Amino acid sequence: QQQVKQSPQSLIVQKGGISIINCAYENTAFDYFPWYQQFPGKGPALLIAIRPDVSEKKEGRFTISFNKSAKQFSLHIMDSQPGDSATYFCAASSGGFKTIFGAGTRLFVKA
Amino acid sequence: GAVVSQHPSWVICKSGTSVKIECRSLDFQATTMFWYRQFPKQSLMLMATSNEGSKATYEQGVEKDKFLINHASLTLSTLTVTSAHPEDSSFYICSASSSLGVWNEQFFGPGTRLTVL
Repeated sequence: QQQVKQSPQSLIVQKGGISIINCAYENTAFDYFPWYQQFPGKGPALLIAIRPDVSEKKEGRFTISFNKSAKQFSLHIMDSQPGDSATYFCAASSGGFKTIFGAGTRLFVKA
Repeated sequence: GAVVSQHPSWVICKSGTSVKIECRSLDFQATTMFWYRQFPKQSLMLMATSNEGSKATYEQGVEKDKFLINHASLTLSTLTVTSAHPEDSSFYICSASSSLGVWNEQFFGPGTRLTVL
């Protein structure tokens, strides 16, 4: 299966709170799992990415948690800020470079 | 990070005309470029993958004769929407990756908004 299932579809978080977005995949051949942030009218920008040989990666306020056995990975945004309000896409790819994107999560951080 | 540009950022054209969109990698050589289409509030839909000097590989359901892709150099790929119709109106995004960089990492352009009247 080539799908990457992403949830929730939308998320409202208070400023300073933690935003959590989850993704699940089926294809065990996937070996690269990036997260992209997209603002309206703009192209996606790589936020953070992880490979399946590690269970967690942290960059600033953004953390990816990866569970290889469950074939799930999640994005945690700590101390969420209004400027984080955007659409977030998880993705997965393998050696063929083709990237499969999740459906996206629209995050709104209330001031 | 690597920079990818697209031109134009937006275009309005009449039905039946052709529109060319350029995608450039500004500070690296892109061995592979991808073209995506995105409808409002939806995810990215891969249209085709192109490698420099080779014919593009189109995804199932994408008309090759309608969406012409040329990857003539390691820094430039073009998408030409031929005989555009209102249903072709969409947000088109390119991305580029390099075999010399982080494996599978794609860098996206800012997108091109196409409106066909």
